[in-house]
Order: sequence, then structure tokens, then C-alpha cells
Amino acid sequence: EVQLVESGGGLVMPGGFLRLSCTASGFTFSNYNIHWIRQAPGTGLEWVSSISSSGHYTYYADSVRGRFTISRDNAKNSLYLQMSSLGAEDTALYYCVRDSTGYYLFDLWGQGTLVTVSS
Amino acid sequence: EIVLTQSPATLFLSPGERATLSCRASQSVSSYLAWYQQRPGQAPRLLIYDASNRATGIPARFSGGGSGTDFTLTISSLEPEDFAVYYCQQRSSSLTFGGGTKVEIK
Repeated sequence: EVQLVESGGGLVMPGGFLRLSCTASGFTFSNYNIHWIRQAPGTGLEWVSSISSSGHYTYYADSVRGRFTISRDNAKNSLYLQMSSLGAEDTALYYCVRDSTGYYLFDLWGQGTLVTVSS
Repeated sequence: EIVLTQSPATLFLSPGERATLSCRASQSVSSYLAWYQQRPGQAPRLLIYDASNRATGIPARFSGGGSGTDFTLTISSLEPEDFAVYYCQQRSSSLTFGGGTKVEIK
């Protein structure tokens, strides 16, 4: 089955850190750019970060640049998001998303992993 | 940054009725406009890409139109599973999402 499965979410204290993972199956992971997109409770969608198929190029939203690091391991069909200096504004459901064209067309979404930043 | 404004915020309709959703861009996005559906408790799903192309497996009752700054998503006859939130997204200049339109049962 073609799918993306996120893990690693949870409750973290303000200022803390967390590492999210995403495992792909059913398709050739190394052929695709992959993104993290988040959705705060009851709100819309916010693009967070992306990584090229090779892993050589990474991009970040201004709201997370310098605090989040995206990476991937194509041998393990896995994507990661290292998050640090977390604040309440980072509380959201984080989706791992496949880019079908290489330019922001999102054709496959995981079910998301919930990150809650609270004391 | 290109801002996408969706209207209405909420649309109250009955099963079998026609739904017309609007997405307006603050500047031209050519045809680089996509629509996503998000059912309660689920991840978004790609419905329409490049303004008018249905994604794989999307029923023919969903259609998209428009170019430049004004776009519409039309659902010709609402099925029970179509009551959801719909987002537009542009990829002409980086990317942005609209705020969403919720289609609710009247």
C-alpha cells in the first residue's frame, strides 16, 4: 500500500525539543521531494519545511527557520523533523506529505502526528 | 506572498444539491491552483490540480475552473461523504493555502 506514516509526536515543555519521523512504503521514496505541513487545532494548513529527493536541498518557513531541521534517509525510506526551542505556537498536527511534481503539489498525505507544547 | 481568500467560510447545503466554492488570489497564479478536501479526523486529500484537472480516483462530480485570480470548485450533486472542509492552494509563487470553506449539512 502506498502510504506515509508519521510518528514521534507528543507533549513537550516550552523550550523543549522533539524529533518527528515519517516512514514511506509502496513507492520509490528517493524519487520525491517531501514536505512537512502542520495544522494547529481548528485552523488551516501551514507549510513548514521541505527536502529535495536527494536530500541536498532544504527549505523552511520563516516561522521555524533556525529551530527546525529536516532530513531524510533514503536507504530507510524515512524523513525526519528535528524541532527545538518549541513554543505554544508550534502545537499542531504535523503531516508528512509527498510532492508529486517537485513544485508543491501534494498528492499523498500521512495521517499526522500531534505535537503539543505545554507546561 | 500571494494571499488566497476562500468564500464563503461556511456553506450550508443538502445532499443532492450543487456546491460552488470560490478561491480568489491577491495576484495572478496562472493555473497553478489546487483544491484539497479534508473530512473530519482525516488528512487532506488532493482533488483538483492546475485549476481543472481531477486527481487520480476523484469522482466526476468534482470539477474546477478559473485562471489568473478567480477560481471555483463545483460539486455537482453533494453526496454524504462530501460534507467536509475544502482548501485551495497556489504554487505559482512558492506556496500558500486558503483559509478553507466548510460544507455543512443544512
